[in-house]
Amino acid sequence: NFMLTQPHSVSEPPGKTVTISCTRSSGNIASNYVQWYQQRPGSAPTIVIYEDNERPSGVPDRFSGSIDRSSNSASLTISGLLTEDEADYYCQSYDSSSWVFGGGTKLTVL
Amino acid sequence: QVHLAQSGPEVQKPGASVTLSCKTSGYTFPNYYIHWVRQAPGQGLEWMGIINSGSGGTHSAQKFQGRLTMTRDTSTSTVFMELSRLTSEDTAVYYCARVAGTSITTHLRHWGQGTLVTVSS
Repeated sequence: NFMLTQPHSVSEPPGKTVTISCTRSSGNIASNYVQWYQQRPGSAPTIVIYEDNERPSGVPDRFSGSIDRSSNSASLTISGLLTEDEADYYCQSYDSSSWVFGGGTKLTVL
Repeated sequence: QVHLAQSGPEVQKPGASVTLSCKTSGYTFPNYYIHWVRQAPGQGLEWMGIINSGSGGTHSAQKFQGRLTMTRDTSTSTVFMELSRLTSEDTAVYYCARVAGTSITTHLRHWGQGTLVTVSS
């Protein structure tokens, strides 16, 4: 099985851009789609990016996703940060009948 | 609209079992897989298993094989998760989540509100 590694925390002021990485330990990052979930305290997760770079309806275009085969990683980029973006973010992928979540990244906007 | 309503909080003793429910509405129940995901206090999300709501077929993470049972009741559009031989490490919020499309690998689009399970003597 594989692991997805994320930074524990990131911090940026409002209006700036932040990128959260998600590195796959084994296997090809491009072989299965990567999803990104946002979780605010006390709430269930919600999807913000699916299939590497697709945004569900209702998610602002400030949120974008990408993959980088050279580093075997995926990234979530949030531009024009708002205080409401402060939350935990989890990447997730799938392989061989196993769904794997990254450890999560706490985004602080201040 | 799609809605997943989970059962209420549970307190169980070590060694006991717990059964949680996830009642769904707003869509054709047999057409979509449902996952179970848990989150220990202050920790990240952990995938537990998946059930095919149509056939009832299941697959669990290796960590839970042998003590996780997932079932469904098509007459009430409800899925159930039983976790046995509980320890304090099973204290967590447990979520059910429905996939977005009819493919097994699509993302988890709709989530229940979560059920807190506390394991304590």
